[in-house]
Amino acid sequence: VQLVQSGAEVRKPGASVKVSCKASGYTFTDYHIHWVRQAPGQGLEWLGWINPNSGETYYEEKFQGRISMTRDTSIITAFMDLSGLSSDDTALYYCARQNYYDSSGYFDSWGQGSLVTVSS
Amino acid sequence: DIQMTQSPSSLSASLGDRVTITCRASPSVYRYLNWYQQKPGKAPNLLIYATSTLQTGVPSRFSGSKSGADYILTISSLQPEDFATYYCQQSYSSWTFGPGTRLEIK
Repeated sequence: VQLVQSGAEVRKPGASVKVSCKASGYTFTDYHIHWVRQAPGQGLEWLGWINPNSGETYYEEKFQGRISMTRDTSIITAFMDLSGLSSDDTALYYCARQNYYDSSGYFDSWGQGSLVTVSS
Repeated sequence: DIQMTQSPSSLSASLGDRVTITCRASPSVYRYLNWYQQKPGKAPNLLIYATSTLQTGVPSRFSGSKSGADYILTISSLQPEDFATYYCQQSYSSWTFGPGTRLEIK
């Protein structure tokens, strides 16, 4: 199992950024993909998930309205688009695969992270 | 919303020490609690899921348990590669991470 993310991005305040996460080594549509971010020197913050099979999404409430998660099954890639960027959005963005137990799960494989820097 | 706390926030210990890190969730998350280890510059790595199930490939010196409202990660004998930051995560209602515990060498 491997998740490979796109490279570092620099954006100005108010702009948008799109980060990609290419999966390999498993059936892409069998597992939810989550997005997690980590600001410099800070902890982990969950952003939301996408079901690559159906395209269904669920977002953390604080990001609703400016986050969008999509996928392209033809290229086995998930995307996270964040708009209205501010300096508070400067962080390392990770994608992670959810594995399952009961009606819940855990993140058993992570991408290497994509650094997004927001600066004027 | 479920609130997660961890204690201590940082910890100094020596090689061979037994170490415990505590996570508390409010309200209860039942058995839906996972633990991750993160080393500097690296993505988090799953250690334990469902409170006490060891992820494949994780050394047996790591264990997870629950006592009352507290979820406990125990490292039975610290090895050099264990110095890292540890996060708990609830997966009962949406997903939330604890603030982390930094484990440093004494």
